[in-house]
Amino acid sequence: GQQLNQSPQSMFIQEGEDVSMNCTSSSIFNTWLWYKQDPGEGPVLLIALYKAGELTSNGRLTAQFGITRKDSFLNISASIPSDVGIYFCAGRRGSQGNLIFGKGTKLSVKP
Amino acid sequence: GAGVSQSPRYKVAKRGQDVALRCDPISGHVSLFWYQQALGQGPEFLTYFQNEAQLDKSGLPSDRFFAERPEGSVSTLKIQRTQQEDSAVYLCASSLRREGIYEQYFGPGTRLTVT
Repeated sequence: GQQLNQSPQSMFIQEGEDVSMNCTSSSIFNTWLWYKQDPGEGPVLLIALYKAGELTSNGRLTAQFGITRKDSFLNISASIPSDVGIYFCAGRRGSQGNLIFGKGTKLSVKP
Repeated sequence: GAGVSQSPRYKVAKRGQDVALRCDPISGHVSLFWYQQALGQGPEFLTYFQNEAQLDKSGLPSDRFFAERPEGSVSTLKIQRTQQEDSAVYLCASSLRREGIYEQYFGPGTRLTVT
C-alpha cells in the first residue's frame, strides 16, 4: 500500500539537542498528523495540522503543514531521554477517513 | 476515561487456523478503523466503519480478511486460514467528530504471529 516518504529513517540524539524530521508525498493531503509510538503500544497523537502553511506547537514540539500540501515537518527542541521512540507522519485527504502513514523515524539516545 | 482496548494483546496461530481479534472503541466514538502494521513499517489501512456500516474495506488484503461491527460499538477482525504473511500488529482506532474534525485514537494493538 501507499506510504509517505519520511526522513530520516533513524537518528541518534543527545539530551538537549534539537531534532528535525520531515515527510513528503506525491499527492495533496488536507490534514497532516504526527504520532509517536513506543514499543508494544499504539501510536499516540502529538500534533494535528489542518491548513496549508499552519504552524502548530505542543510543548517542545512544533510542526508545520507545507504550503504545497505535500509535505510536513516536525521539530523537537531541547530533547530529553523520554523523547526516544518512533515518530510517524500521517496524511488524510478528507476531514475523515483513513490515514496514510510514513515508515517512521526512530529516535535513539547517543551511546 | 478509558481508551481503545484490544484483545488478545498477543496471538500465536498455526498456519491455516482462523483467528478473531477484538476492538473496544472509546465509548461514544462513531468511527472505527483497523490498520495492519508490519515489522519496521508504518500502519496500513484495512477497513473503516461508521456506526455499524462498513464504509470502506479497500485495504483488506484478501477475502480471508473479514471485519464486522454489528451493533456499532465493538468490532471484530477475523482472518481465515492464516498465512505467515499475516504476521503483524493489528491496530484499531476510533474517532469522534469534534467541531467538524475527526481524529483517530489508537489501541495498543494485537500482535499476531503465524507459525
